[in-house]
Amino acid sequence: GDSVTQMEGPVTLSEEAFLTINCTYTATGYPSLFWYVQYPGEGLQLLLKATKADDKGSNKGFEATYRKETTSFHLEKGSVQVSDSAVYFCALTGTASKLTFGTGTRLQVTL
Amino acid sequence: SAVISQKPSRDICQRGTSLTIQCQVDSQVTMMFWYRQQPGQSLTLIATANQGSEATYESGFVIDKFPISRPNLTFSTLTVSNMSPEDSSIYLCSVLVTDLYEQYFGPGTRLTVT
Repeated sequence: GDSVTQMEGPVTLSEEAFLTINCTYTATGYPSLFWYVQYPGEGLQLLLKATKADDKGSNKGFEATYRKETTSFHLEKGSVQVSDSAVYFCALTGTASKLTFGTGTRLQVTL
Repeated sequence: SAVISQKPSRDICQRGTSLTIQCQVDSQVTMMFWYRQQPGQSLTLIATANQGSEATYESGFVIDKFPISRPNLTFSTLTVSNMSPEDSSIYLCSVLVTDLYEQYFGPGTRLTVT
């Protein structure tokens, strides 16, 4: 079945550092790929998406590119801020629009 | 996008009782979903609730334990029945915005079973 693998956290970075959170997937067909963010005490927010190979999703300075050849959708940001501290979930939709989530990666940004 | 509200936002319940969680969306949507997020874990899909049809449950989840209603295109309920401490989780509903092919989530209901 479909699955998503994310790098283990927590990831601790200093403010203005470069962020990469790795995400790889296994799916039949051509899934759409998503990154969701969960800030402390809040619900899940859609951060960005990509629906086909080589698409780049971007939002709030975050980017991720749908790489079919490596089945990856790594999340990147050039300069993180303390306000980016949250849990980030990689996800895909396969059949019937159901979301399959990765385990989540906690990011902590310090001054 | 879609704006989704859930009630209650949190509750503490005794084992053996049931709790019904409501999910309201500000626009008509065909597909709604219910997820569970156990403490410190990722999200697991419980069931898909389409208006006008029976909910479709994922492996490991059954209707007797998690009955779902979907009376119209803007509302759904999930009941957690005969609760045990293992049911302590955050329960989230989500909706699919079809033209964007994006899912949006409610704020969640934090349930603690004692």
